[in-house]
Amino acid sequence: GAGVSQSPSNKVTEKGKDVELRCDPISGHTALYWYRQSLGQGLEFLIYFQGNSAPDKSGLPSDRFSAERTGGSVSTLTIQRTQQEDSAVYLCASSRDRGQSDTQYFGPGTRLTVL
Amino acid sequence: AQSVTQLGSHVSVSEGALVLLRCNYSSSVPPYLFWYVQYPNQGLQLLLKYTSAATLVKGINGFEAEFKKSETSFHLTKPSAHMSDAAEYFCAVTSSSASKIIFGSGTRLSIRP
Repeated sequence: GAGVSQSPSNKVTEKGKDVELRCDPISGHTALYWYRQSLGQGLEFLIYFQGNSAPDKSGLPSDRFSAERTGGSVSTLTIQRTQQEDSAVYLCASSRDRGQSDTQYFGPGTRLTVL
Repeated sequence: AQSVTQLGSHVSVSEGALVLLRCNYSSSVPPYLFWYVQYPNQGLQLLLKYTSAATLVKGINGFEAEFKKSETSFHLTKPSAHMSDAAEYFCAVTSSSASKIIFGSGTRLSIRP
């Protein structure tokens, strides 16, 4: 596709429910990143994929958060038993390769609201 | 460890005036530095990046930034502000040994008519 896409654009859920957020990276990009943007914490790194493996999961805030990537393309971020503090905008980015000088292209984000 | 500090959470300038957004970084290894812009309800868009080539980096929309190792700074400038420049701006740092970008807390730029 022309850019990184994310779905849904908005998600409202009740506390305790599970949610899945989807990211479609730019075609051919091998590196994929998830970030979280919230008022109190700014932009936080969550997890990085190179192909289908995740060499760096250091930003996942708890074991309620998990992510996978299949076929070196689509990625899903899953949050189990959502809490109100999980409310944030979840951003996905992809880059051509792992090289850190490579530009990361961001999607529009998924705004998650936990009631 | 790497970090970025953006001075001023909110900057307001008049249309046509100089824009200066400040960013200082901390890195024990040669850094790669970025400025991203985020317009309301949109994702982040890369303005420019420094990757150890020229110290003065030109980006989109008339923005530029200068890497100053002695001052550990990477300030963003634009000679003449336009109303369409109103947005949130993020400075960020990474390195060849890192797997993630570290973002600053952001500076909201407002343009007065």
